[in-house]
Amino acid sequence: AQSVTQPDIHITVSEGASLELRCNYSYGATPYLFWYVQSPGQGLQLLLKYFSGDTLVQGIKGFEAEFKRSQSSFNLRKPSVHWSDAAEYFCAVGYSTLTFGKGTMLLVSP
Amino acid sequence: EAGVAQSPRYKIIEKRQSVAFWCNPISGHATLYWYQQILGQGPKLLIQFQNNGVVDDSQLPKDRFSAERLKGVDSTLKIQPAKLEDSAVYLCASSAVGESSYNSPLHFGNGTRLTVT
Repeated sequence: AQSVTQPDIHITVSEGASLELRCNYSYGATPYLFWYVQSPGQGLQLLLKYFSGDTLVQGIKGFEAEFKRSQSSFNLRKPSVHWSDAAEYFCAVGYSTLTFGKGTMLLVSP
Repeated sequence: EAGVAQSPRYKIIEKRQSVAFWCNPISGHATLYWYQQILGQGPKLLIQFQNNGVVDDSQLPKDRFSAERLKGVDSTLKIQPAKLEDSAVYLCASSAVGESSYNSPLHFGNGTRLTVT
């Protein structure tokens, strides 16, 4: 059965510092991979997605993610975090239906 | 384009009562999903519709949960009777097609937060 692991429940980053959120997955083959962001009281918004090709994908809001097949990982990165990036981030895998990780809450300190 | 609309935003009920949630997907989106998001967890799929037919309801607790999408547009999700563990945010999402989530990613509504006391 497929599963998604986000090992960090919450992360605190200083504004302007770099960010990396980890995601590992277990799936029969390379699935579609996604990162979503959820602000308080809001639905989930797609940041970026990957299926094949260049293993470094660019998304909205300055985010990028790198797929590493050998590690079954799809980590999300941002070079410089802004206070408005504080939110919960979900990694998801699948095809027609998605399996989500438990999420990582990002806190941004001044 | 208008987003996925859900109502109500909040609902508080006592256990054993019934409750219904409504979802209006993005116009033209054939596929509609209901997800349950318990506090501290990621969304879990409850049911997927393709037009007005059910594609996947394997994780829907059918003894108490029901959902319908009669005309292939709006959908309602009902819980009867509610239990304490049903307290969660219920998210509706839609996509243009259901065959490939990559080319037609999910668009989520803001959810309904249910509290069962």
